[in-house]
Order: sequence, then C-alpha cells, then structure tokens
Amino acid sequence: DAGITQSPRHKVTETGTPVTLRCHQTENHRYMYWYRQDPGHGLRLIHYSYGVKDTDKGEVSDGYSVSRSKTEDFLLTLESATSSQTSVYFCAISEASSYEQYFGPGTRLTVT
Amino acid sequence: DAKTTQPPSMDCAEGRAANLPCNHSTISGNEYVYWYRQIHSQGPQYIIHGLKNNETNEMASLIITEDRKSSTLILPHATLRDTAVYYCIVRAGGAGAQKLVFGQGTRLTINP
Repeated sequence: DAGITQSPRHKVTETGTPVTLRCHQTENHRYMYWYRQDPGHGLRLIHYSYGVKDTDKGEVSDGYSVSRSKTEDFLLTLESATSSQTSVYFCAISEASSYEQYFGPGTRLTVT
Repeated sequence: DAKTTQPPSMDCAEGRAANLPCNHSTISGNEYVYWYRQIHSQGPQYIIHGLKNNETNEMASLIITEDRKSSTLILPHATLRDTAVYYCIVRAGGAGAQKLVFGQGTRLTINP
C-alpha cells in the first residue's frame, strides 16, 4: 500500500469553527489531491497540488483552502465549518498528473 | 472525459472469475480506461488501467474491445475480500489530467 496517512481519522466539530485536516505521504510523489465523498455525489475534487507551494482549485473548492509547505504534507483547512461540509475526506497522491492516484484511508468529519 | 456505464450490482461465487463490464462508447483516442474499487469505509484502491491493449497485473486483467467502446475487468479467482464497489473511469492522458471522475460504479458481492 502507498504510504499515505490522514489525520485525524474522525472529527466532530461545531459550525463556525476552523478545522484542518492533514495528509502525509512517504512516497515523494509530486501531486497531491483532496476529495470529498458524499452519498449520491461520488468523489469530488476539492483542491490539488502539483508541487510545494503550487496548488489549484477543483470542482468544489468554495469554503476550503489548502497549503503545501513540504512535499510530504498537504493540509486542507475549513476556515469556518458548515454543516454542508460534513463528509468523508480522502487524500490522494500521484507521481504525475496523468498517472494513477493512490488514496489515503479517509477522514470522517461531522459538523454539528 | 468520456462517460461510462456500469451495471449497478453483480454477484459472483467465491473462487469463480468475476467479470465486470463497462461501456464507454464515446471514448476518444487519448483516453485511458482506469479501474478502481472501494471496499466499505476505505479509500478507493487503484486496480489497473489500459489504453487499447489488454493488461494484466497481480490483481486483475483488463480486456478492452478492439473499437475501445467497452471493457471488462476480470478478477480471476474472486474471494470474499473482493466484495466492493468497482468504478470504471475514462480519463485523458497527458498534462492537466488531474481529476478522476467517479460514477456510481458496480457493487460486486462475492458469495460463499
């Protein structure tokens, strides 16, 4: 299995509070991605990174920001969590943009 | 990216070959066929991908028709641990192909 960890694995937070999810990889892959998975919507891309300090938006980026200060870490921040952001969040990595992506175990976030 | 069509569910007996079909009649010349699976509550797992030739790895075989409008994922000796949702994804190669678009997939149940 690809060396990808996500933390925390589970989190419950209140509406309006900031939340940061962390993705850590040991594969030295250039690309990292954040997806969310909701019933009826499948997986949707939030943001991705193509290198240190290089990020871009995906299809559902509103309300989320990301940062990548090191190759191995990609952080997803919800500046002010809302109930609509209750979801399972998956991080993925790939060597190149067109290569296969490997996914982490996921973080289940509940916003009350 | 081309759209794919998969049956919503399939059953297979343990030890038998599981053959999962996928229709992608609008696929274009530079698009690859990828297969992922997602076991309950886990992150999606990459299985295999191909362009036009049949492919085999330690997990599965991928058979792509000559006109590339459909493909079949074959799990040669299915086990109970192969019970999962299987996703067929068509995706362009080359730079800029960041996003994986997951449809509804096929829920495969392996029966003892």
